[in-house]
Amino acid sequence: DAGVTQSPTHLIKTRGQQVTLRCSPKSGHDTVSWYQQALGQGPQFIFQYYEEEERQRGNFPDRFSGHQFPNYSSELNVNALLLGDSALYLCASSLGGAGLAGNEQFFGPGTRLTVL
Amino acid sequence: AQTVTQSQPEMSVQEAETVTLSCTYDTSESDYYLFWYKQPPSRQMILVIRQEAYKQQNATENRFSVNFQKAAKSFSLKISDSQLGDAAMYFCAYGDNDMRFGAGTRLTVKP
Repeated sequence: DAGVTQSPTHLIKTRGQQVTLRCSPKSGHDTVSWYQQALGQGPQFIFQYYEEEERQRGNFPDRFSGHQFPNYSSELNVNALLLGDSALYLCASSLGGAGLAGNEQFFGPGTRLTVL
Repeated sequence: AQTVTQSQPEMSVQEAETVTLSCTYDTSESDYYLFWYKQPPSRQMILVIRQEAYKQQNATENRFSVNFQKAAKSFSLKISDSQLGDAAMYFCAYGDNDMRFGAGTRLTVKP
């Protein structure tokens, strides 16, 4: 049973560019959440997708957007990259219906984004 | 806004001994969840234990147990019989319609 997978593993971009990160949820899961983890910090919630719609959103600007596909996989897009966007981006999947924290979230290994 | 505070940036324990990691949180909600996650160097966050706020009984998972004090808004993690594989970053997290993580505690296990 494959767990949560993310691609790519590492990514280097320059300021002003755009980036797309991808996530495939654990088999049977229909909900995907994205987190940003800066170096030495805990993860910060970006948003959550369920039934192809953004259901919850954290305190992140509109430069951060996402999408969920019919197969429940998800993308995180970041436009106009800033140096401060350098971080580990974590994807977590769960079963929907009980609020963000109601069901156990399974995390992927993350994508390390470096903005130069 | 809900905040989660882990006051111990680093902790160390001897193998086979017991260690307690501290966590406090702030919320005005009465219904929520609390979590401890482990993040080894491989970066993958792993759920260690979960507590539902409406349950008074402290959660336990094998060698891991919590001391949940709702009135004090405290949620500490006790690791018994520590093993070398327990070495990792440990994050306390609060969840309702949002998930808030603390800054983490780095646990070192000495052989």
